[in-house]
Amino acid sequence: SQKIEQNSEALNIQEGKTATLTCNYTNYSPAYLQWYRQDPGRGPVFLLLIRENEKEKRKERLKVTFDTTLKQSLFHITASQPADSATYLCALDEGSARQLTFGSGTQLTVLP
Amino acid sequence: EAGVVQSPRYKIIEKKQPVAFWCNPISGHNTLYWYRQNLGQGPELLIRYENEEAVDDSQLPKDRFSAERLKGVDSTLKIQPAELGDSAVYLCASSPLGATGSDTQYFGPGTRLTVL
Repeated sequence: SQKIEQNSEALNIQEGKTATLTCNYTNYSPAYLQWYRQDPGRGPVFLLLIRENEKEKRKERLKVTFDTTLKQSLFHITASQPADSATYLCALDEGSARQLTFGSGTQLTVLP
Repeated sequence: EAGVVQSPRYKIIEKKQPVAFWCNPISGHNTLYWYRQNLGQGPELLIRYENEEAVDDSQLPKDRFSAERLKGVDSTLKIQPAELGDSAVYLCASSPLGATGSDTQYFGPGTRLTVL
């Protein structure tokens, strides 16, 4: 069966450290992978998109990697800040139906 | 630029009652999505519109859920009758119609539905 798994536990890290969030998938062939941020009581907000033929994408303190052999994406936040505390969702797009399938998210808490 | 607008933000109803949610997408966005998000889960697609046409409603429970997007702009999602298991956040999102690739989706704040 198809499955998207993100870090199963909430992730707590100290301010200034690098947070690394994992997205693993099974029985999907995504052409694209997107990462979103969701704050309590709000809808998800788009952060980054990476294509299957790209290994890495950066935007300011954010970095995403995509390994189609391992079927895994890693999402890094460097020099993390308490304001980065939120739930982070990965979403797969297999490219044919323009449809995103979301993981269940990882709740990140950056401690001051 | 205004974002995706949804109303109401919160709704509490008794089971078996009807309920409706409204969404106004970002101006010029042809594609509109309705998602349901249960606590601790990611959004799950219910229906996708390209302009007025529902192009993917395979996940919409059609016995009690209905949706419409008149004139290809605003959309309404209805549940009749509501069941206890329908308690969730209902999210609307929109995206521009891109020629290729994966569209970034812009989400509204959602409607939190509680069915008692």
